Amino acid sequence: DTAVSQTPKYLVTQMGNDKSIKCEQNLGHDTMYWYKQDSKKFLKIMFSYNNKELIINETVPNRFSPKSPDKAHLNLHINSLELGDSAVYFCASVSDGTGRETQYFGPGTRLLVL
Amino acid sequence: EDQVTQSPEALRLQEGESSSLNCSYTVSGLRGLFWYRQDPGKGPEFLFTLYSAGEEKEKERLKATLTKKESFLHITAPKPEDSATYLCAVQSGGSYIPTFGRGTSLIVHP
Repeated sequence: DTAVSQTPKYLVTQMGNDKSIKCEQNLGHDTMYWYKQDSKKFLKIMFSYNNKELIINETVPNRFSPKSPDKAHLNLHINSLELGDSAVYFCASVSDGTGRETQYFGPGTRLLVL
Repeated sequence: EDQVTQSPEALRLQEGESSSLNCSYTVSGLRGLFWYRQDPGKGPEFLFTLYSAGEEKEKERLKATLTKKESFLHITAPKPEDSATYLCAVQSGGSYIPTFGRGTSLIVHP
């Protein structure tokens, strides 16, 4: 069974469109993250959700909005897509978010904005 | 602000040629230092967590060590299947935000 899954794996879209990426974890974890990985492989955290509450919101444009319908899901909605949004987006989950626990990553969603 | 610097950026080894990857960090109160392996087209996969200076962990051909300023990932007699990008991350006591380095891309030639 896949621990952390994301859909879609690939997403190609036009500038200005709105899109969503879904993430699900079956590990029973309390905390989930969204990361953006740029073309140089740099992973930067975007959001963290703990028990359905946003506890971190980095300097991310408000075009990006995380939505968590329940503890096992953290979806990422992006409005008015821009060229610079092209990247690989990873979802991850961790058992308690204290900083001492292993993160489990999803396979990534490769977003290309044309 | 937590900072993580990994070196070298890229490393090419011959099969069997041992080497080390470096992760230098600056944090205020280390909660944990993490090593991940990332294969092309996949998400990072956990390797090790180190919590305090002097700690060491091993897994097959990999050994991770930690001091107060840096961590090393030693690769002994690498094989081509060890080729991947190795990522280092830290989490400090003052933040719930993990900080990643830019990774070391390792290629092991047969």
